[in-house]
Amino acid sequence: GESVGLHLPTLSVQEGDNSIINCAYSNSASDYFIWYKQESGKGPQFIIDIRSNMDKRQGQRVTVLLNKTVKHLSLQIAATQPGDSAVYFCATTRTGGNQFYFGTGTSLTVIP
Amino acid sequence: DSGVTQTPKHLITATGQRVTLRCSPRSGDLSVYWYQQSLDQGLQFLIQYYNGEERAKGNILERFSAQQFPDLHSELNLSSLELGDSALYFCASSVASDFSYEQYFGPGTRLTVT
Repeated sequence: GESVGLHLPTLSVQEGDNSIINCAYSNSASDYFIWYKQESGKGPQFIIDIRSNMDKRQGQRVTVLLNKTVKHLSLQIAATQPGDSAVYFCATTRTGGNQFYFGTGTSLTVIP
Repeated sequence: DSGVTQTPKHLITATGQRVTLRCSPRSGDLSVYWYQQSLDQGLQFLIQYYNGEERAKGNILERFSAQQFPDLHSELNLSSLELGDSALYFCASSVASDFSYEQYFGPGTRLTVT
């Protein structure tokens, strides 16, 4: 199986600062990783994904870094805004796999 | 808005009862996935259907079943409900049969068993 864990259950940042949310996974066969954002009362919303043939991928204000050696990925949010307040969690799987393994989530609070 | 719709939004029922949750995937998506999210367990994969056929099974109880219809909408049936089944149930859809593609989640159905 797979276990996916986030390093911090809660994170508070000042508006305008950068946020970093970390995730560790256990299965070295995992080769596809997604970060989701879930606002209160809503379904998870796709933020960014990365495949194992990459170390870094950038989106709009977000960057995902993948370190396969230590089985760790992180989500960086630049210039964090109040609208970024939500629970963030990572999910992992492998190509051809029949499961998605989700971390328990980090609750990000942005302080105005 | 992800394009995935789920009904009903809220459901309150008693132990021992049976309920049906409904999901319509995004236009063009052939895969539907069902997830359960409870406070103490996080998001758990239940089952996947692809183009009408069961494709993968996760931590789905025998009291739960699902199906996907020719128009690609899916239903999750929960029977002999217990208090512990109270949770948010999400469906997600994707274009592919493989898990390693982006999934789009619906807004969820909140089930309360009393």
